[in-house]
Amino acid sequence: DTGVSQDPRHKITKRGQNVTFRCDPISEHNRLYWYRQTLGQGPEFLTYFQNEAQLEKSRLLSDRFSAERPKGSFSTLEIQRTEQGDSAMYLCASSLGQGAKTQYFGPGTRLLVL
Amino acid sequence: SQQGEEDPQALSIQEGENATMNCSYKTSINNLQWYRQNSGRGLVHLILIRSNEREKHSGRLRVTLDTSKKSSSLLITASRAADTASYFCATDSLSYNTDKLIFGTGTRLQVFP
Repeated sequence: DTGVSQDPRHKITKRGQNVTFRCDPISEHNRLYWYRQTLGQGPEFLTYFQNEAQLEKSRLLSDRFSAERPKGSFSTLEIQRTEQGDSAMYLCASSLGQGAKTQYFGPGTRLLVL
Repeated sequence: SQQGEEDPQALSIQEGENATMNCSYKTSINNLQWYRQNSGRGLVHLILIRSNEREKHSGRLRVTLDTSKKSSSLLITASRAADTASYFCATDSLSYNTDKLIFGTGTRLQVFP
């Protein structure tokens, strides 16, 4: 257990539905990252926050995706109008400070869109 | 997109043998890290090597880095069945103004008891 928690661990939804995932980072970590991992591939960067500010978004993050970190603590990732191609593992990670380098990952949320 | 590739894609060995995995990347880096992922689970950080380091050890792990060849290797000595997992290298690039990690494609290691 790295200290990063994600909820839910598994989500099955029908195409077109909205889903929201939550990530609770290690409490003193000010940086929070979201990654997406499809079967047989390494994780791919989606977005990251420093405190409550979203500082970068990947081109993978279409306008159906939105992420927030309202108080600089937990974060949510919402996918609107889900598509089958959104099926993946969504991983959250946190780190302490700029250039801290080591990111600690949560267990992930596995999404299946039917 | 992935930063680079890992080789081999899959590796099967007997307990007690050593396992070597290689990682190549594309851009100049600050640091390279190795992570382990058990099936369907999150990633566990194993070791970080800085761009000015050439070799680093942690327990049964030995990592080397050759920045001139943009490559790294992870050696697991005296492997155990519990080492069965996927192993990923990840880099943070000098080209990017963030600490985001760019992962390789992974090596799936199977250690038979």
